[in-house]
Amino acid sequence: GQNIDQPTEMTATEGAIVQINCTYQTSGFNGLFWYQQHAGEAPTFLSYNVLDGLEEKGRFSSFLSRSKGYSYLLLKELQMKDSASYLCAVDYSGAGSYQLTFGKGTKLSVIP
Amino acid sequence: GAVVSQHPSWVICKSGTSVKIECRSLDFQATTMFWYRQFPKQSLMLMATSNEGSKATYEQGVEKDKFLINHASLTLSTLTVTSAHPEDSSFYICSARELAGAEGNEQYFGPGTRLTVT
Repeated sequence: GQNIDQPTEMTATEGAIVQINCTYQTSGFNGLFWYQQHAGEAPTFLSYNVLDGLEEKGRFSSFLSRSKGYSYLLLKELQMKDSASYLCAVDYSGAGSYQLTFGKGTKLSVIP
Repeated sequence: GAVVSQHPSWVICKSGTSVKIECRSLDFQATTMFWYRQFPKQSLMLMATSNEGSKATYEQGVEKDKFLINHASLTLSTLTVTSAHPEDSSFYICSARELAGAEGNEQYFGPGTRLTVT
């Protein structure tokens, strides 16, 4: 299988830092994406990791360890508008078909 | 950034009727488009992958005769839900991958179509 596991829910305080973890099966791995999805809306792209290490983009950073099948999304200086579901998705496709398998998402609630 | 549109954004139809959903890439050419379905409080489930000019590839458990996909051009793919039933009520989202030069093989998502079958 291609189980992608991430916590179901998290709560954090405005202005704080939160880390959302994602583990996945490493066989067939071609890259990992993080998406943000507000309720009733389509996902929006946050980050893409294919090599080990940390990718930083403003308040959001994403880390990948290919050998461990592990990634995290780090959100700094949390704002109320960051309350959303965060989806971890892995590209397990071969031959360039770029199909994504999504985790169930982590619902983040930012509180004052 | 690249923009993907979907039409309609929401639709209510009666059981037994068919509904067509359009997915368009507005400012880029998409060799590949993906159709997802999302039930409340669940993640996106890939239904099928469509490549321009060829037959769609359906995921296991998705009926190809019920969910007809046509990808006639590099900017348009359509999903037709035939003989819709209440259990087909869901949020349908398409995404498109750019022909070339896409950063990190990114998929661009449409805004989704909320289908309710009564």
